[in-house]
Amino acid sequence: DSGVTQTPKHLITATGQRVTLRCSPRSGDLSVYWYQQSLDQGLQFLIHYYNGEERAKGNILERFSAQQFPDLHSELNLSSLELGDSALYFCASSVGRLTNNEQFFGPGTRLTVL
Amino acid sequence: GENVEQHPSTLSVQEGDSAVIKCTYSDSASNYFPWYKQELGKGPQLIIDIRSNVGEKKDQRIAVTLNKTAKHFSLHITETQPEDSAVYFCAASTFVPETDKLIFGTGTRLQVFP
Repeated sequence: DSGVTQTPKHLITATGQRVTLRCSPRSGDLSVYWYQQSLDQGLQFLIHYYNGEERAKGNILERFSAQQFPDLHSELNLSSLELGDSALYFCASSVGRLTNNEQFFGPGTRLTVL
Repeated sequence: GENVEQHPSTLSVQEGDSAVIKCTYSDSASNYFPWYKQELGKGPQLIIDIRSNVGEKKDQRIAVTLNKTAKHFSLHITETQPEDSAVYFCAASTFVPETDKLIFGTGTRLQVFP
């Protein structure tokens, strides 16, 4: 158990819908990262927050947005969903603001768009 | 943009044999290189990392080597065991502010046969 929690574990929805994925980092970690893992693909970096502020963006679609709240939990919002958005979404947390700190991954949320 | 290539995509070995996974990176400013292991149904977990001021690092049966001139790094697992079976991801980052992000390879599925 990494100490990072993600909810829900599974999500099935229809095209055009909007969903929210939630992540609670390990106690004491200030950074939260979001990644997308499609079938047989590696981990694609989406976005990084540190202590409530956005630090870096990857190839995150404009239909996707995220935020980190004062209690440090984070939410990833996916809107106007398409079939191609079906994937595993992981969040990870780390203690510092730089990527050279170990990232602890949650168990992921499996999103299926029908 | 930054890119990390990883080979092979699949690797099958007999228990007790060694396994080697190789990665190359494109950004010469990269200076942090972690390796993650992802077991079925779980999030990735850091197994070893190396920084650019070091050429080799060992942790029991696992070792990582880095050649900055050639921009490649490798994971070596000796005396493989069935529980080593998993998907392994290499990654690289520069930890330069604003562009600091972990770029992952596409993964290697390692199967260790008893």
